[in-house]
Amino acid sequence: TQLLEQSPQFLSIQEGENLTVYCNSSSVFSSLQWYRQEPGEGPVLLVTVVTGGEVKKLKRLTFQFGDARKDSSLHITAAQPGDTGLYLCAGVENSGYALNFGKGTSLLVTP
Amino acid sequence: KAGVTQTPRYLIKTRGQQVTLSCSPISGHRSVSWYQQTPGQGLQFLFEYFSETQRNKGNFPGRFSGRQFSNSRSEMNVSTLELGDSALYLCASSRGTSGSWDTQYFGPGTRLTVL
Repeated sequence: TQLLEQSPQFLSIQEGENLTVYCNSSSVFSSLQWYRQEPGEGPVLLVTVVTGGEVKKLKRLTFQFGDARKDSSLHITAAQPGDTGLYLCAGVENSGYALNFGKGTSLLVTP
Repeated sequence: KAGVTQTPRYLIKTRGQQVTLSCSPISGHRSVSWYQQTPGQGLQFLFEYFSETQRNKGNFPGRFSGRQFSNSRSEMNVSTLELGDSALYLCASSRGTSGSWDTQYFGPGTRLTVL
C-alpha cells in the first residue's frame, strides 16, 4: 500500500492552462516535500512545507500543506512547456525517518 | 560545487549475477541514501548511510546491501539478480546532521536492466 497517494497520475494540458496536483495520506507527516524529475535526471527539490495550513509560492507554483498535515497540493498557474516533468511528493511520518514518496504525477505541457 | 555523481549510468545484467553501483556525494555531505524507482512502485527507500554506518533501512531483502567509505562515497550491491530488480537506482546525499530531514540532492541514477 502506498503511503502517499498522488492524483492525477497523468496530466496533459496546453500552455497557459492552470492545474492542481494532489498528494494525500492517512498518516500525519512532520513535513512534506515536492520534487520535479525530468527524464534521465534525479528528482530536484522544489519546496518543503512543515506547518499545517502553510502556503508557499515559487513563481507560478503554489504549494499548500493541509491543516492536519496529511495532505498537500501543488497548483501551477499558466503552465509552460518547461513545467513538463514528473512531480513527486514525499514526506517523513511523524514517527519515522525514511522519506516516503508518492508514485508521482506525470505532467505534459504542450505549446 | 559538483553535484551527486553515480556510476555507471547504465547496466545490463542477467539473472543470478550480482552488481555494484557507486555514488559520490556532494563534498561535505556525510549522508547517502539509496532509492529504487520503478514505474509500478515509484521511489522506494533502500537504506541510508551516515559516517560509514547504516543508519536506516527500508523494506528490501538482504540481497540488497550497501556500504560507505571514509570519504562518504557509497556503494550498493545487489546479489543474485532477479528480473524484478530492473529499475532506476538513485542515490541522494545530504549533510545528515540537522536532526530533522535534510535537503536531499539526488544523482542522475543508474539504470539497471536484468535480462
